[in-house]
Amino acid sequence: DAGVIQSPRHEVTEMGQEVTLRCKPISGHDYLFWYRQTMMRGLELLIYFNNNVPIDDSGMPEDRFSAKMPNASFSTLKIQPSEPRDSAVYFCASSFSRDYNSPLHFGNGTRLTVT
Amino acid sequence: AQSVSQHNHHVILSEAASLELGCNYSYGGTVNLFWYVQYPGQHLQLLLKYFSGDPLVKGIKGFEAEFIKSKFSFNLRKPSVQWSDTAEYFCAVSPSNTGKLIFGQGTTLQVKP
Repeated sequence: DAGVIQSPRHEVTEMGQEVTLRCKPISGHDYLFWYRQTMMRGLELLIYFNNNVPIDDSGMPEDRFSAKMPNASFSTLKIQPSEPRDSAVYFCASSFSRDYNSPLHFGNGTRLTVT
Repeated sequence: AQSVSQHNHHVILSEAASLELGCNYSYGGTVNLFWYVQYPGQHLQLLLKYFSGDPLVKGIKGFEAEFIKSKFSFNLRKPSVQWSDTAEYFCAVSPSNTGKLIFGQGTTLQVKP
């Protein structure tokens, strides 16, 4: 199993540009999470999906952020327009709800820098 | 709202010293508890977890944690740290049957050789 795959690994963009982060969860996992990690705020849960349906998006900071999961094997997190304060590492993670011994599996993250 | 609080943001220890990292959570119902570790440049990995049963949980690499329900705490311990334990440690809580995992802010552990 290749694990959770995120792309790109690094993204540098200018303020005002649209940014799209991508995630492929582990096959068979029915939960998918988007987290943001910063020095100031630590690891914040932005949104999570169960069976492709958004369950809780209360962590999404503003309307500039949106996430979709069109199918079980793909999710996107979009920021439009991006701002310098969005600079962070964005992690995607997946898990299988019926296996209580299965922890959250994290991707390697996307390091976003907005200048 | 549910939250997780880690008491120490940055801990510096010498090798062979004992470690205890504090974690408290706020949630009135049944929870599952976790500690994750993030080594420099890597993604988060599970260190140990508690679902039910014995409140003293043993994880990988000699780590253990104790769930004290009355104190809403899940502190991480290791009797003797090594330089390779240098990493960031995250406590996390999942209210049962929600699938949601909430992390604390993390504690950076630096072990001096």
